Amino acid sequence: DQQVKQNSPSLSVQEGRISILNCDYTNSMFDYFLWYKKYPAEGPTFLISISSIKDKNEDGRFTVFLNKSAKHLSLHIVPSQPGDSAVYFCAGMYGGSQGNLIFGKGTKLSVKP
Amino acid sequence: EAQVTQNPRYLITVTGKKLTVTCSQNMNHEYMSWYRQDPGLGLRQIYYSMNVEVTDKGDVPEGYKVSRKEKRNFPLILESPSPNQTSLYFCASKTFGLAGRGGGYNEQFFGPGTRLTVL
Repeated sequence: DQQVKQNSPSLSVQEGRISILNCDYTNSMFDYFLWYKKYPAEGPTFLISISSIKDKNEDGRFTVFLNKSAKHLSLHIVPSQPGDSAVYFCAGMYGGSQGNLIFGKGTKLSVKP
Repeated sequence: EAQVTQNPRYLITVTGKKLTVTCSQNMNHEYMSWYRQDPGLGLRQIYYSMNVEVTDKGDVPEGYKVSRKEKRNFPLILESPSPNQTSLYFCASKTFGLAGRGGGYNEQFFGPGTRLTVL
């Protein structure tokens, strides 16, 4: 049972345009969602997160939107830069601070100059 | 520098030869975890530890062992590796206190990864 789904394995965007990465989840117990970014030959690094009681969180060029009724979240990157090219993982967690992360399969973003 | 380190970074071994991948963090984090990343499957949790001497199974624990004798170290042990354990392995840690850019206690810090090939 895949609790976190990233249905687009890849996404290609022109530099300067908006990148929208989508994530769906099935577990209504998730109380926190996180996005991680991963470059080749490196470990994932935290990007941005959102609590389930919020519907939006913004950090510079990155904004995450949460639609609880649709069990859907999205990561917006504006404007996209070539250095944003990486694999992006969406993750959900429940159980408070001691909860584990449940990751999606990832979306590979390519930003073309 | 706050970090999670893993050794070795690359390892090629043969079926049945016991191996250990070490993981160490210098952030005094209570929680540590091991993941494997496989093409098309994303990151899957193998084992995790809430604190010293407290470990529990993740989603794919078969064929693996862990121990947490010290807070900073969380080695992953493959007693009898098999080819289906060929994968990219990541160790991660987090604190239960308020820390991190994530607005609290939920951000996990990952190591650089260990690429394991079992022939």
